[in-house]
Amino acid sequence: QVQLQESGPGLVKPSETLSLTCTVSGGSIRSYYWSWIRQLPGKGLEWIGYVDYSGNTNYSPSLKSRVTISVDTSKNQFSLKLNSVTAADTAVYYCASTADGFSWGQGTLVTVSS
Amino acid sequence: DFVMTQSPDSLAVSLGERATINCKSSQSVLYSSNNKNYLAWYQQKQGQPPRLLIYRSSTRESGVPDRFSGSGSGTDFTLTISSLQAEDVAVYYCQQYYAAPYTFGQGTKLEIK
Repeated sequence: QVQLQESGPGLVKPSETLSLTCTVSGGSIRSYYWSWIRQLPGKGLEWIGYVDYSGNTNYSPSLKSRVTISVDTSKNQFSLKLNSVTAADTAVYYCASTADGFSWGQGTLVTVSS
Repeated sequence: DFVMTQSPDSLAVSLGERATINCKSSQSVLYSSNNKNYLAWYQQKQGQPPRLLIYRSSTRESGVPDRFSGSGSGTDFTLTISSLQAEDVAVYYCQQYYAAPYTFGQGTKLEIK
């Protein structure tokens, strides 16, 4: 079964861009779709979007104007960029393989604060 | 968008007893070409990522104990834990992956009575 690991800064300043990378191991990124999901503190789960190995994407309408998800097949990685962040974007961000249900990475807390 | 509504929001069950969580979708998640429901259940323990328990409404993920079962079709689904164990304390989420944007229920917090 594939394993996923998120990486990136844990602190981002307001109005800047949040950037995270997910490294896929134990399988090829050419399988499945690959999603980003976030969980606001003490809250439920919000799907952000997905990418496939060709770079085709689908984003949540509520975040679409600020989100870019991309894939790097040579590194078996995919990435999330969320621009113009505010404190409301503080959350645990998860990456997940997307097939019949999601299989999740451990998650990484990103705090938006000056 | 598909709105997923779980009930109850919280639940307290005695050890060894049955726990039942319901999930209702605002639209059918049954894919007519293969008669499969694109509905998953997850378990999230404190401080951990969600864990896939059930997919396609009723198929247990590898390694999931058989006391967990899923049922339902179309818009109404149920997760049942047949005999509650202490390690089952968690928040449980349903999710539709029939169509993007994929959406989750609000979660059901399961505790020991």
